[in-house]
Amino acid sequence: SQTIHQWPATLVQPVGSPLSLECTVEGTSNPNLYWYRQAAGRGLQLLFYSVGIGQISSEVPQNLSASRPQDRQFILSSKKLLLSDSGFYLCAWSDSRDRVFYGYTFGSGTRLTVV
Amino acid sequence: AQSVTQPDIHITVSEGASLELRCNYSYGATPYLFWYVQSPGQGLQLLLKYFSGDTLVQGIKGFEAEFKRSQSSFNLRKPSVHWSDAAEYFCAVAAYSGGGADGLTFGKGTHLIIQP
Repeated sequence: SQTIHQWPATLVQPVGSPLSLECTVEGTSNPNLYWYRQAAGRGLQLLFYSVGIGQISSEVPQNLSASRPQDRQFILSSKKLLLSDSGFYLCAWSDSRDRVFYGYTFGSGTRLTVV
Repeated sequence: AQSVTQPDIHITVSEGASLELRCNYSYGATPYLFWYVQSPGQGLQLLLKYFSGDTLVQGIKGFEAEFKRSQSSFNLRKPSVHWSDAAEYFCAVAAYSGGGADGLTFGKGTHLIIQP
């Protein structure tokens, strides 16, 4: 079965420190992968998506970057965190089998607090 | 690009009463439509989705939603709410072309409060 792992669950980081959040999926190959952010009291915003290794599309200009070094690994990074980077970060993948789209599966999220 | 509007930021309903959460979308063709629920401090749980076919879709926890193309709406309903339904509800849309590869666009959410 397909599963998605996202870690850490919570993170407190000082302003100016680097960030690395990792997401991996199992049980599928060549998934489309996504990073979303939910700022406090706000909806979810798509940050990045990737349709293959090394292919990253950015939806919103920001202090973050994403990379996909392996087929089932998606990493969200920052060189220097800002207070405004605080939020709830969700990784997701789109479930497509034999070219049929079934929907999206979300990870359990990482709550990032920048202090 | 698609967009989603959830006009109600907060809704208060008495336990046992019926519920309808509104969702309107903007997209040039038939989209994929979703409703998700988020309990405090938790991730997203899929309630139901519409891809094609019957415009009334049934989901988990007794929820249903109706797709109305003429109104560009996908409202969520439940005949009788329980205190455990208190949560944040998100409507979302994905582009049909490309098989949803571009990801989801979410509404800003509706916060549901249940009165005893």
